[in-house]
Amino acid sequence: DIQMTQSPSTVSASVGDRVTFTCRASQSIYTWLAWYQQKPGKAPKLLIYKASTLESGVPSRFSGSGFGTEFSLTIDSLQPDDIGTYYCQHYYSYSWTFGQGTKVEI
Amino acid sequence: EVHLMESGGGLVQPGGSRRLSCTVSGLTFTNYEMNWVRQAPGKGPEWISNISRSGDVTHYADSVKGRFTVSRDNAKTSLFLQMNSLRAEDTAVYYCVSGGECTNDMCHHAAYFQHWGQGTEVTVSS
Repeated sequence: DIQMTQSPSTVSASVGDRVTFTCRASQSIYTWLAWYQQKPGKAPKLLIYKASTLESGVPSRFSGSGFGTEFSLTIDSLQPDDIGTYYCQHYYSYSWTFGQGTKVEI
Repeated sequence: EVHLMESGGGLVQPGGSRRLSCTVSGLTFTNYEMNWVRQAPGKGPEWISNISRSGDVTHYADSVKGRFTVSRDNAKTSLFLQMNSLRAEDTAVYYCVSGGECTNDMCHHAAYFQHWGQGTEVTVSS
């Protein structure tokens, strides 16, 4: 199985900051990568798919980039509602796997 | 509005069985592959099963292969997960999740998890 590794495990930032965290795949997954946001007690929410395509309704301050094995999610101008845990997930081949998550704190 | 509603969770003894159901509304059900994703307490999500739009092709994570069976009823826009030989490590919130909309043969390009239910909790314990 392809392993997904996220870093850092926790990010502490202030409102208005630009925040970037990364996801690394154990082998090339081209652009078959999605990002999710999860708040406590809630289901994950799709933010980005195909590495950089913003899901409908997701604020434009979220952006994704990367190809192959290295990917990143950036939040421009962090907002209080952005707190939560962010997961990457590959869908290059079965079994699809998630990273261990990056927790964003303000 | 898209709505996915799981049911069937609860407390199960080790070695027991449980059947989860999910009713889906607000989308053209036959345009979506469907999945079950679970999340153990304090852990990240884990994809466990996928079923094709017609229901004739299924895939499973190694952790549940041979014990869990996914199925769907397109007429009733419903998804199911039959769980047998349950273990303590199967304790988790189980989510019913759609892929992205797929209207051709390239559904693997839409294999992200677009729409999620609220989850149903399964606890395996004696």
